[in-house]
Amino acid sequence: GESVGLHLPTLSVQEGDNSIINCAYSNSASDYFIWYKQESGKGPQFIIDIRSNMDKRQGQRVTVLLNKTVKHLSLQIAATQPGDSAVYFCAENLGDSWGKLQFGAGTQVVVTP
Amino acid sequence: SAVISQKPSRDICQRGTSLTIQCQVDSQVTMMFWYRQQPGQSLTLIATANQGSEATYESGFVIDKFPISRPNLTFSTLTVSNMSPEDSSIYLCSVHEMGSSYNEQFFGPGTRLTVL
Repeated sequence: GESVGLHLPTLSVQEGDNSIINCAYSNSASDYFIWYKQESGKGPQFIIDIRSNMDKRQGQRVTVLLNKTVKHLSLQIAATQPGDSAVYFCAENLGDSWGKLQFGAGTQVVVTP
Repeated sequence: SAVISQKPSRDICQRGTSLTIQCQVDSQVTMMFWYRQQPGQSLTLIATANQGSEATYESGFVIDKFPISRPNLTFSTLTVSNMSPEDSSIYLCSVHEMGSSYNEQFFGPGTRLTVL
């Protein structure tokens, strides 16, 4: 039968509130990080990226923070909307070339009305 | 941004058979990759599909199990050979694009494979 997958950490957020999703990465030599959003039945969708020479980058309603000292990445979503409900993954570039990504475990964000 | 399509979108296969998944990109891309996403889990890189040469596989993945073709800069195939239920996953094609002011990695919609 079908194997049972891991239960993802879940973040429940009320519509209109801000969301903060956290991610710890493993490789201190990683120099490029990406946040992806994956809705049910779809492939991951690029949200925002950041290079290791920065500690903050802002997009439309999203901000990524990078703390290299503790190898921590966070994604902040302002004024969370129902359409933000999805699984969010952080990914780090494996370093020897572009495109080879190592993904974090993922966080399920559930937006409640 | 690159638009990626995959065929089939899903399939149910019998143990011991093989399935070939196609990935088509609407523009020429240098770097193309195949990822696997097991049920309820994160994505894992299988291999880099190299145009004109053999694919480069990540640890834990071998060519005999996952042969890959890359005949040109817009198309690639991944075959899942001699399937077992443990191969039930979503298989995703990915491309990397870089320009003077951007650097992005895109994913296809995935092929959902169930092996009985």
